[in-house]
Amino acid sequence: DQQVKQNSPSLSVQEGRISILNCDYTNSMFDYFLWYKKYPAEGPTFLISISSIKDKNEDGRFTVFLNKSAKHLSLHIVPSQPGDSAVYFCAASDLGDYKLSFGAGTTVTVRA
Amino acid sequence: NAGVTQTPKFRVLKTGQSMTLLCAQDMNHEYMYWYRQDPGMGLRLIHYSVGEGTTAKGEVPDGYNVSRLKKQNFLLGLESAAPSQTSVYFCASGPPGELFFGEGSRLTVL
Repeated sequence: DQQVKQNSPSLSVQEGRISILNCDYTNSMFDYFLWYKKYPAEGPTFLISISSIKDKNEDGRFTVFLNKSAKHLSLHIVPSQPGDSAVYFCAASDLGDYKLSFGAGTTVTVRA
Repeated sequence: NAGVTQTPKFRVLKTGQSMTLLCAQDMNHEYMYWYRQDPGMGLRLIHYSVGEGTTAKGEVPDGYNVSRLKKQNFLLGLESAAPSQTSVYFCASGPPGELFFGEGSRLTVL
């Protein structure tokens, strides 16, 4: 049973507009959340993270929002650029554990 | 700086054959992981290791074995390959909050 769910398999957005990717989780023990980005034929690379003591973390064009009561997080990319076209994985962990649980991924396509 | 290196990058096997995927990291990480990526399933943890000489099962361990004889290496073995093991395999190292991934190994079992 997947503990991290990304219900939108794909997202298409025009260059310059906002991309919003959503992620839900079921395990209330998760206290650290990450987003990874993956290009074809490459391994995933770390993008941004947030701990459960925060509700927002920003890094340049990327912002992650966490709503603990709803067990929901989202990634905002503003403005979207063609190089952002990739698969984005949401991941979560209980820092008392050693493992990351990943969602199924959302493929983002940024149109020129 | 190589980071995480996986070999081989591609392999085609026949059902019943065996093979080993090698992962090497040069970042002196204690933790190492093997994931598989399948369409619509994301990344699923097969086995992991929290230090030299240790291994543990992840979400989908059946049909795989692992060994961590040296800190820098983590081996994933398939003793008798099955078509259901056709997948892209990723090795990663680092603490859970900061994983570094290899480029992946695409395995096809006919």
